[in-house]
Amino acid sequence: QVQLVESGGGVVQPGRSLRLSCAASGITFSSYGMHWVRQAPGKGLEWVAVISYDGNNKYYADSVKGRFTISRDNSKNTLYLQMNSLRVEDTAVYYCAKDGSLDYWGQGTLVTVSS
Amino acid sequence: DIVMTQTPLSSPVTLGQPASISCRSSQSLVHSDGNTYLSWLQQRPGQPPRLLIYKISNRFSGVPDRFSGSGAGTDFTLKISRVEAEDVGVYYCMQATQFPLTFGGGTKVEIK
Repeated sequence: QVQLVESGGGVVQPGRSLRLSCAASGITFSSYGMHWVRQAPGKGLEWVAVISYDGNNKYYADSVKGRFTISRDNSKNTLYLQMNSLRVEDTAVYYCAKDGSLDYWGQGTLVTVSS
Repeated sequence: DIVMTQTPLSSPVTLGQPASISCRSSQSLVHSDGNTYLSWLQQRPGQPPRLLIYKISNRFSGVPDRFSGSGAGTDFTLKISRVEAEDVGVYYCMQATQFPLTFGGGTKVEIK
């Protein structure tokens, strides 16, 4: 079955960096675009970024553009989100999700940005 | 950006009764390829979101047939024919026609 497992979350001070990972199994990872979506505590869903199946195309939400970088390693079936210059408002559970319709989601990893 | 507006914010429902959620987009969701990339997601308490419906009316694998989606252009509806206890949670519409992907604010379905 399809499994997406995020890791790398934690508590970090404003201005610092963090890298999230999403390990995929049960799918031909290299065939699908992948997304990051976040959810601030008690709030709704906010799309963060997408990367094409081959890594050649990437799009970002304006709120993270220039600070976050999405990437993937198809040889390791892993998606990444490099988050730099973190702000308090980046505090959220970060989910990875598969493909255009976001048909499979991971359990999420919590990122807390606090001094 | 396309703004997705859901109503109602909250929907108290009696078990076995129907529920309906509306979603309106600020512009047409018809893609240049002819498809309309409007999805519905369910998020049960403490769980990640789960895809229910994609491209307006297609039920995803394993989704019970009491869930149905309809609509066109800018107006869409999710219906639950007979609400069960496991349907409690927040429901989101989402458009994937244009980047950035955007979500509705969510509708909380709860049992009366």
